[in-house]
Amino acid sequence: GAVVSQHPSWVICKSGTSVKIECRSLDFQATTMFWYRQFPKQSLMLMATSNEGSKATYEQGVEKDKFLINHASLTLSTLTVTSAHPEDSSFYICSARDPGQAEDTQYFGPGTRLTVL
Amino acid sequence: DAKTTQPNSMESNEEEPVHLPCNHSTISGTDYIHWYRQLPSQGPEYVIHGLTSNVNNRMASLAIAEDRKSSTLILHRATLRDAAVYYCILTLGNAGNMLTFGGGTRLMVKP
Repeated sequence: GAVVSQHPSWVICKSGTSVKIECRSLDFQATTMFWYRQFPKQSLMLMATSNEGSKATYEQGVEKDKFLINHASLTLSTLTVTSAHPEDSSFYICSARDPGQAEDTQYFGPGTRLTVL
Repeated sequence: DAKTTQPNSMESNEEEPVHLPCNHSTISGTDYIHWYRQLPSQGPEYVIHGLTSNVNNRMASLAIAEDRKSSTLILHRATLRDAAVYYCILTLGNAGNMLTFGGGTRLMVKP
């Protein structure tokens, strides 16, 4: 099956710093990637849809200036959490659609656990 | 988006079959039924999907009711590694359609 990787798998940072998370599709080209956030004991919440070569589409309530998304190539999307604060601590997960696979099937990365001190 | 309803949790014994139900009474004719599962501290994993007919793959079987208002994910022989949260999600089958995750069913497998 299609493989999606994320880096780093976990990160601890100080309040006020910025953190970049990378999401890569390893064996397929993904024109569309998705970014989710998951708080403890809760379900995944979609943050934004990342489209290669164009601006990301953000869900209601997600600050686009705080969560910067760049999808510069067909295999890489990045999420930068700017000026991170403790309330941004969460499990961030990306996914990608493989255009060659079945309807709307998405392949997920292993997630990145962000802890802001 | 059409909504799905799943039990919060279920228990199973190891090596026994598990039937995970999902109700989707407002499903439309073009909605696909997808199942994903999430193991602890990992990203979700695709399990299976279908439209009208029952589906089988190496991981599980998907039984879809004739009126499509409900479906059942079947794990034929539960193992401890199947302990996870299972999500039943409807999608339109359009390119780039997003997934909306509900609460899912937490499956606990007892040795």
